[in-house]
Amino acid sequence: NAGVTQTPKFQVLKTGQSMTLQCAQDMNHNSMYWYRQDPGMGLRLIYYSASEGTTDKGEVPNGYNVSRLNKREFSLRLESAAPSQTSVYFCASGGAGGPKNIQYFGAGTRLSVL
Amino acid sequence: QKEVEQDPGPLSVPEGAIVSLNCTYSNSAFQYFMWYRQYSRKGPELLMYTYSSGNKEDGRFTAQVDKSSKYISLFIRDSQPSDSATYLCAMNTLSGNTPLVFGKGTRLSVIA
Repeated sequence: NAGVTQTPKFQVLKTGQSMTLQCAQDMNHNSMYWYRQDPGMGLRLIYYSASEGTTDKGEVPNGYNVSRLNKREFSLRLESAAPSQTSVYFCASGGAGGPKNIQYFGAGTRLSVL
Repeated sequence: QKEVEQDPGPLSVPEGAIVSLNCTYSNSAFQYFMWYRQYSRKGPELLMYTYSSGNKEDGRFTAQVDKSSKYISLFIRDSQPSDSATYLCAMNTLSGNTPLVFGKGTRLSVIA
């Protein structure tokens, strides 16, 4: 059981380049989330998808787009990367019963924008 | 005021010490309370969860919720160097698939 899988693990971009971060979960969860984590800032929610076909903005959505491709997959796209988007990005899934919406995290993608 | 406040530390303790990690919150609708542990360069992993008030124990870990004070705690007994990590509290209301609200995390170092 892989849980939440994120690709790539590391990425270096130049300012203005675009890229898509991929996330897939095999736990049949309804909800999926994208966070960024910066020193001293904690986890900040970028976008989330409460169910297949829906997406909502989180705390820091500017500069990002998302696609809930199907129940398993939720991608995060940076259209024109900026140095301020240098961060560690985590995908999470949750909401398939049990205590309300426990979230399970992937291993993260470390992104540097030069 | 942030919905969830957590002292970022760092907290450094000797091996074998009892550790107390805490969060305060402002939203009285929160009913589910969780603690995540995050090792360096890894994703957060769920450590414990509790519903409403009271205590929950799991081995060396005890989670405590005081809803009247809007205060939650995680106690670690007989702390080990392997407990060195960042601990994040998280909480949620009863309604729907809403995202968890996280504290910023407390970095703990247990020194052998």
